[in-house]
Amino acid sequence: GAVVSQHPSWVICKSGTSVKIECRSLDFQATTMFWYRQFPKQSLMLMATSNEGSKATYEQGVEKDKFLINHASLTLSTLTVTSAHPEDSSFYICSARDIGGEGEQYFGPGTRLTVT
Amino acid sequence: SQQGEEDPQALSIQEGENATMNCSYKTSINNLQWYRQNSGRGLVHLILIRSNEREKHSGRLRVTLDTSKKSSSLLITASRAADTASYFCAPRETSGSRLTFGEGTQLTVNP
Repeated sequence: GAVVSQHPSWVICKSGTSVKIECRSLDFQATTMFWYRQFPKQSLMLMATSNEGSKATYEQGVEKDKFLINHASLTLSTLTVTSAHPEDSSFYICSARDIGGEGEQYFGPGTRLTVT
Repeated sequence: SQQGEEDPQALSIQEGENATMNCSYKTSINNLQWYRQNSGRGLVHLILIRSNEREKHSGRLRVTLDTSKKSSSLLITASRAADTASYFCAPRETSGSRLTFGEGTQLTVNP
């Protein structure tokens, strides 16, 4: 149980284009999902908290107009990287928190984004 | 939210040996969680210990929590090469819901 999927697992896009990443909780409901990014050999950096049916809460320094988050249902959150630049190239990981849990987060396998 | 700080940053042991990683944090917590990340993958939830618990076991994992010292340890017994990964602790604050992560401990188990 507690499986989270992410799609796509990797994507290459050109500068200036937008990329959408999907995060789904497959066997549980998640009112809250989280988006992280991770640079090589570094820790995960929390970007935003996504709440079902309401606006996302962004961490300090994260541009909300650049990283659009939508949490339209209890099992799906999307992150759209708009007008991507090479510096947006990173490993993006989502996680979901089970409604009935004690705060455990279940992570997706990550999406490797490369902007050329 | 606060992040835990793991120690050591890197640990290299031989298969069959035990591995101990430590975590320190700063504020009051509801629980503390340990996660593992294999290279290029998402994190895997390993174990959760509540603030009123002192020790918890799960298979080859043993976690301790000392709230007076604001510290936790993760012991992996009889390590295997497949245990090679980064390990993170995540204290869950009484007032918060987000989990943030420190630099982790990079464990290498040599066959």
